Amino acid sequence: EAGVTQFPSHSVIEKGQTVTLRCDPISGHDNLYWYRRVMGKEIKFLLHFVKESKQDESGMPNNRFLAERTGGTYSTLKVQPAELEDSGVYFCASSQGTGNSPLHFGNGTRLTVT
Amino acid sequence: EDQVTQSPEALRLQEGESSSLNCSYTVSGLRGLFWYRQDPGKGPEFLFTLYSAGEEKEKERLKATLTKKESFLHITAPKPEDSATYLCAVMDTGRRALTFGSGTRLQVQP
Repeated sequence: EAGVTQFPSHSVIEKGQTVTLRCDPISGHDNLYWYRRVMGKEIKFLLHFVKESKQDESGMPNNRFLAERTGGTYSTLKVQPAELEDSGVYFCASSQGTGNSPLHFGNGTRLTVT
Repeated sequence: EDQVTQSPEALRLQEGESSSLNCSYTVSGLRGLFWYRQDPGKGPEFLFTLYSAGEEKEKERLKATLTKKESFLHITAPKPEDSATYLCAVMDTGRRALTFGSGTRLQVQP
């Protein structure tokens, strides 16, 4: 079974530019999550999709972040315009539909904003 | 607000030297407590889910236990390949988001 895949693995952009991160969840997983770790901090929740619907976006820091999940399959997270404080590692995770199914994480995208 | 505190921040053991990692938590209602292992440059890898006080789970040299306020990850006779950061996270009954602790960096020396 293929795991959660994220692309790109690294991205370096300048302040003010736009970056789009992509996540392909495990096949059949209805739940898709975005998390991020900024320097020296713990991993923090950004948002949760159930299929194509946003279930919880309480962790999104501001309106420069836009997440989409087309057709309930892969998801994208766009940062526009990027700021220095957006630097960090962005993780995607997925889980099966019911109860307390564990989240399975991808290896993350390391974003550096200069 | 859910909170997770892990201790110690870092732990260095000799191969074969058993020890325990601590995870203290506060949550309005516990849906589950999760342990993950993370290697450098990788995402968190799922180890265990614990649901209620008194529950225990084991996998190879690892054993996780849960009380109403904390969880322990016991490592018995560790090997160098057990070196990693161990993360604890809670999910409360109100939502599906995980709240993570800052992790314990474990180094096992041969």
